[in-house]
Amino acid sequence: AQSVAQPEDQVNVAEGNPLTVKCTYSVSGNPYLFWYVQYPNRGLQFLLKYITGDNLVKGSYGFEAEFNKSQTSFHLKKPSALVSDSALYFCAVRDRNTGGFKTIFGAGTRLFVKA
Amino acid sequence: GAVVSQHPSWVICKSGTSVKIECRSLDFQATTMFWYRQFPKQSLMLMATSNEGSKATYEQGVEKDKFLINHASLTLSTLTVTSAHPEDSSFYICSASGGLAVTYNEQFFGPGTRLTVL
Repeated sequence: AQSVAQPEDQVNVAEGNPLTVKCTYSVSGNPYLFWYVQYPNRGLQFLLKYITGDNLVKGSYGFEAEFNKSQTSFHLKKPSALVSDSALYFCAVRDRNTGGFKTIFGAGTRLFVKA
Repeated sequence: GAVVSQHPSWVICKSGTSVKIECRSLDFQATTMFWYRQFPKQSLMLMATSNEGSKATYEQGVEKDKFLINHASLTLSTLTVTSAHPEDSSFYICSASGGLAVTYNEQFFGPGTRLTVL
């Protein structure tokens, strides 16, 4: 069965500092991995995805994530955080071997960036 | 990028009434649409997957007679919450995939609908 773990409910970081939001996953086959951001009372906005190829994926708003197969992780990173990055972040996984678009979401990590 | 809209963005209804939420793909044909439910400070829970012209596939624990899903066209899916009760109050989000979205392995999310049942 597919599952996604985001071990931190909340991450606090000062503006200008690097940020990391952690994600580990479990799938029976090879994963498609995604990060989404959600602002209050809004739907999800796509940030980035890993499908194949380079393990380091660059996405929107300066975010990047590294696919680590041995550690089954896909941590989200940004070199310099902005106050406007404060939001709820979801990691998601889809098992490419099962086909379809059923995507499992992590519980979410709330990021607070302090000025 | 592809745009998915939802209507209404928020709705308040009395207990026992039915509420219909629309999800539209505005600039692509959505062969598959998904309906999610999100409780406050929680993740998205997949309720059902619908393919255009077919019956929806519901996730375990989701009452198909309570949450009626129709995907009659390639640009529109509807979720009807029948005989709503206060515990149905939640944030409902749809997503859609099709065409180029399939090529890029993406699904595009609507802005969500907040349902409050009094």
